[in-house]
Amino acid sequence: NAGVMQNPRHLVRRRGQEARLRCSPMKGHSHVYWYRQLPEEGLKFMVYLQKENIIDESGMPKERFSAEFPKEGPSILRIQQVVRGDSAAYFCASSQGVAYGYTFGSGTRLTVV
Amino acid sequence: KNEVEQSPQNLTAQEGEFITINCSYSVGISALHWLQQHPGGGIVSLFMLSSGKKKHGRLIATINIQEKHSSLHITASHPRDSAVYICAVPNSGGGADGLTFGKGTHLIIQP
Repeated sequence: NAGVMQNPRHLVRRRGQEARLRCSPMKGHSHVYWYRQLPEEGLKFMVYLQKENIIDESGMPKERFSAEFPKEGPSILRIQQVVRGDSAAYFCASSQGVAYGYTFGSGTRLTVV
Repeated sequence: KNEVEQSPQNLTAQEGEFITINCSYSVGISALHWLQQHPGGGIVSLFMLSSGKKKHGRLIATINIQEKHSSLHITASHPRDSAVYICAVPNSGGGADGLTFGKGTHLIIQP
């Protein structure tokens, strides 16, 4: 069981480019969560997805950010036209349900130059 | 929406000392989580608890549901315990919510 796999571990993008962050949940986990950790700040909830459905996106910025969790393949967090303020660590967590807790990935460190 | 307060924000102690980190939250919850993060590192889930007390090695977590308060204790602390410890609760208290996090406690254990 490889745990929650996030890739890439580090991603550098120029301002205006697109960033795609991938998260493969643990086997058997159908709940995926994305969190952002800005430099020197705490973790913030972004979005909660189940297969093919966005359950709660109350923490997502209104523009440029989107997330999906397709029937097949990893969950994707997509940031269009990145700006320097998007530089952060993005963590994915997965769960198999309320009673089972969460397993976190190692994160993707996005740097916008 | 739940709010989480952690204290202290920073803690430096000598090796062997008993460590206590506190967490308070505003909305009743199904479970509370304690997490550990090393600098530049990933996040490790230490405990998920909904009542009483849990122990894992030198780590002990307690929760008082009525008081909306939890503590994380480290016995016989060691420099390798140096990390950020984060308390987290479900956004709206229950269900399969995403988590709301405390700001974290930066712990340094000096040899």
